[in-house]
Amino acid sequence: EAGVTQFPSHSVIEKGQTVTLRCDPISGHDNLYWYRRVMGKEIKFLLHFVKESKQDESGMPNNRFLAERTGGTYSTLKVQPAELEDSGVYFCASSQGFGRIYEKLFFGSGTQLSVL
Amino acid sequence: SQQGEEDPQALSIQEGENATMNCSYKTSINNLQWYRQNSGRGLVHLILIRSNEREKHSGRLRVTLDTSKKSSSLLITASRAADTASYFCATVPMNRDDKIIFGKGTRLHILP
Repeated sequence: EAGVTQFPSHSVIEKGQTVTLRCDPISGHDNLYWYRRVMGKEIKFLLHFVKESKQDESGMPNNRFLAERTGGTYSTLKVQPAELEDSGVYFCASSQGFGRIYEKLFFGSGTQLSVL
Repeated sequence: SQQGEEDPQALSIQEGENATMNCSYKTSINNLQWYRQNSGRGLVHLILIRSNEREKHSGRLRVTLDTSKKSSSLLITASRAADTASYFCATVPMNRDDKIIFGKGTRLHILP
């Protein structure tokens, strides 16, 4: 069974540029989450999809961040324009259990984003 | 806002010793989970303990939960070099069981 995959694994961009991160969850998982970890700090929640709908986007920092989940399958997270403080590791996770977290999350390896 | 907070932030022990990490949280929970992250990799689920459970075991891992103190501990017995990683506790709040909140993690280093 394929796990959660994220692309790219690393991205180095300049301030003001646009970057799009992609996440392919485990097939059949309704829940898809985006998290971000800035070095040394907590893993911070960004948003949660249930199928193609945004269940909770309260963690999105501002309107420079746009997340989509086409047809309830893969998801993209676009940052436009990128700022220095957007640097960090962006994790995607998926799980079963339509909107509820009664079992574990499966994580991707993350995208290391560096904004220079 | 941050829900779980791990203690210590960093821990170095000799191979073969036991490692204990603690987690404190603020609000009532549905369940609490521990994850491990090896450098450059994603988080891997280790163990889940529900609010009505007090202790769980999985191999060399032992997790306890004290809901009265809002705290949990993760014990790794007979540590190995491969246990070197960051360990995170994550809580699913009772009133928001669609959400899971992570702490800052404990960096564990096993010395040869």
